[in-house]
Amino acid sequence: DIQMTQSPSTLSASVGDRVTITCRASQSISDRLAWYQQKPGKAPNLLIYKASSLEIGVPSRFSGSRSGAEFTLTISSLQPDDFATYYCQQYNSYSFTFGQGTKLEIK
Amino acid sequence: EVQLLESGGGLAQPGESLRLSCAASGFTFSRYAMSWVRQAPGKGLEWVSAISGSADSTYYADSVKGRSTISRDNSKNTLYLQLTSLRVEDTAVYFCAKEDYETGGHLDHWGQGALVTVSS
Repeated sequence: DIQMTQSPSTLSASVGDRVTITCRASQSISDRLAWYQQKPGKAPNLLIYKASSLEIGVPSRFSGSRSGAEFTLTISSLQPDDFATYYCQQYNSYSFTFGQGTKLEIK
Repeated sequence: EVQLLESGGGLAQPGESLRLSCAASGFTFSRYAMSWVRQAPGKGLEWVSAISGSADSTYYADSVKGRSTISRDNSKNTLYLQLTSLRVEDTAVYFCAKEDYETGGHLDHWGQGALVTVSS
């Protein structure tokens, strides 16, 4: 199975900060990488697919990029609603795999 | 509007079986693959199983292979997951999710989840 290594596991930041979360795939997944946001007690919500495509309705402060097997989620200016847990997921091949998650906390 | 509604969760003893259902609406169900993803209490997301839109292909995580069966009834717009030989470590919220393609796409819509608790 493809392993997804996500970092950091926890990130403390302030409103207005620019933050980045990284995911590295253990083998090539092309651009078949998605990012999800999850709030406590809720289902995950798709933010980014195909490494850099913004899902409809997601604010433009969210962006994704790819450099080889390394993928990055960037939030350009943190808003209060953005404090949540973020997961990457590869869908290049079954079994799909998720990163371990990054909890974004208020500093 | 896409809606996914899971049901069938609850309390089971180790070794027992359980069947989860996911009722879908708001899209042409048979055109899209569907997945089950679970989340143990306080843990991350774990993909469990998937089925193609036509139901001719199924996929399972190693953790449930041989103990679970994914199926779908496209005439009823409903997805199922049969879990057998339940283990304590199967305790989780189970989400159904719509994939963006007939097979192998990102998960663009999710249900609210169904809690399965396995305990003696």
